[in-house]
Amino acid sequence: GNSVTQMEGPVTLSEEAFLTINCTYTATGYPSLFWYVQYPGEGLQLLLKATKADDKGSNKGFEATYRKETTSFHLEKGSVQVSDSAVYFCALNRDDKIIFGKGTRLHILP
Amino acid sequence: DTGVSQNPRHKITKRGQNVTFRCDPISEHNRLYWYRQTLGQGPEFLTYFQNEAQLEKSRLLSDRFSAERPKGSFSTLEIQRTEQGDSAMYLCASSPPGQLNTEAFFGQGTRLTVV
Repeated sequence: GNSVTQMEGPVTLSEEAFLTINCTYTATGYPSLFWYVQYPGEGLQLLLKATKADDKGSNKGFEATYRKETTSFHLEKGSVQVSDSAVYFCALNRDDKIIFGKGTRLHILP
Repeated sequence: DTGVSQNPRHKITKRGQNVTFRCDPISEHNRLYWYRQTLGQGPEFLTYFQNEAQLEKSRLLSDRFSAERPKGSFSTLEIQRTEQGDSAMYLCASSPPGQLNTEAFFGQGTRLTVV
């Protein structure tokens, strides 16, 4: 079946550090890929998405590229801020069923 | 606010009681999802509606769980004879008609505690 695997956290970085959170997926056909973010005390929000191979999604300085050859959708940001502290979920949508990874908690230290 | 609305936000119930949660999706969104999230885990798919039709139901969903969307607008999720293992955050999401495999918009969730 379809599934998403993402790196386990927590990930702790200093402010202005470079961030990578790895995500790989297993799916039949061509799913859409997403990163959602959950800030403390808030609901899930879409951070970025990509709908086909080689698409790059970007938002708020975060980027992820849909790599079909490696079935990956790694999240990156060049310079993190304290306000980026949250839980990040990689997800796919195939046949209108959205499957999530387990989430990666990110702590940014000032 | 025109986002996905869930009620109640919190529910504490005694084991064995029945509970019902309501979800109001974004207006004109024809697809509606229910998920369950426990601490430290990602959301787990429970069930999915397109308009009033329930198209898929997870094998994780026991017979004690039932969901409805009678008029293709709001939805309810009922849990009968609650167990402590049902304690979790129940999330509702909706997505618009048209493009397949699109993103879903989530509500704030209903946190259920079974004591």
